[in-house]
Amino acid sequence: TQLLEQSPQFLSIQEGENLTVYCNSSSVFSSLQWYRQEPGEGPVLLVTVVTGGEVKKLKRLTFQFGDARKDSSLHITAAQTGDTGLYLCAGQLNFNKFYFGSGTKLNVKP
Amino acid sequence: GAGVSQSPSNKVTEKGKDVELRCDPISGHTALYWYRQSLGQGLEFLIYFQGNSAPDKSGLPSDRFSAERTGGSVSTLTIQRTQQEDSAVYLCASSARGDGFDYEQYFGPGTRLTVT
Repeated sequence: TQLLEQSPQFLSIQEGENLTVYCNSSSVFSSLQWYRQEPGEGPVLLVTVVTGGEVKKLKRLTFQFGDARKDSSLHITAAQTGDTGLYLCAGQLNFNKFYFGSGTKLNVKP
Repeated sequence: GAGVSQSPSNKVTEKGKDVELRCDPISGHTALYWYRQSLGQGLEFLIYFQGNSAPDKSGLPSDRFSAERTGGSVSTLTIQRTQQEDSAVYLCASSARGDGFDYEQYFGPGTRLTVT
């Protein structure tokens, strides 16, 4: 059983479209991170959210942490081909242990 | 500056053989993590080192897996008597502080292990 459920697993969209990726759990996290990973490379941190209800923006990416700190979403506006990759959420449950979701594979077509 | 490096980048081994995977963290980083990733999916936590404290080994899947970190720097993950289900990408990450106040983990490119 996965502690963090990500949806959708796969997403294929046209350039310019908007999309939202969800990360859900029944557990409360002290923080939640979003990473992006490209083939053959390790994940790269995009953002960390800590406070329930927190919203952070990174250019065309908007991240939200649920009020109860159990879920999070990543919204991309006007997707570009460079956004293609595997998006991973990771929840910090214990002191320094991070639990990763199964990932959302995004393909943005030109 | 140098990031996290891992070697080898690819390793093919026969079932039953032992393998050693190496991780060189960013200089000065006190925390080091090992994860396993199958088929482009999520990461499975294996083990965590923080300074001179006893490592958190709670994620190691069996006693065939072990890891050490020498001198608070380089780490080696050893898998004994490899099985086909051990085939995966093994990722190492380090972070500057392990006290919960620096959350960013910097990942290496991984070692792709294939057990035939």
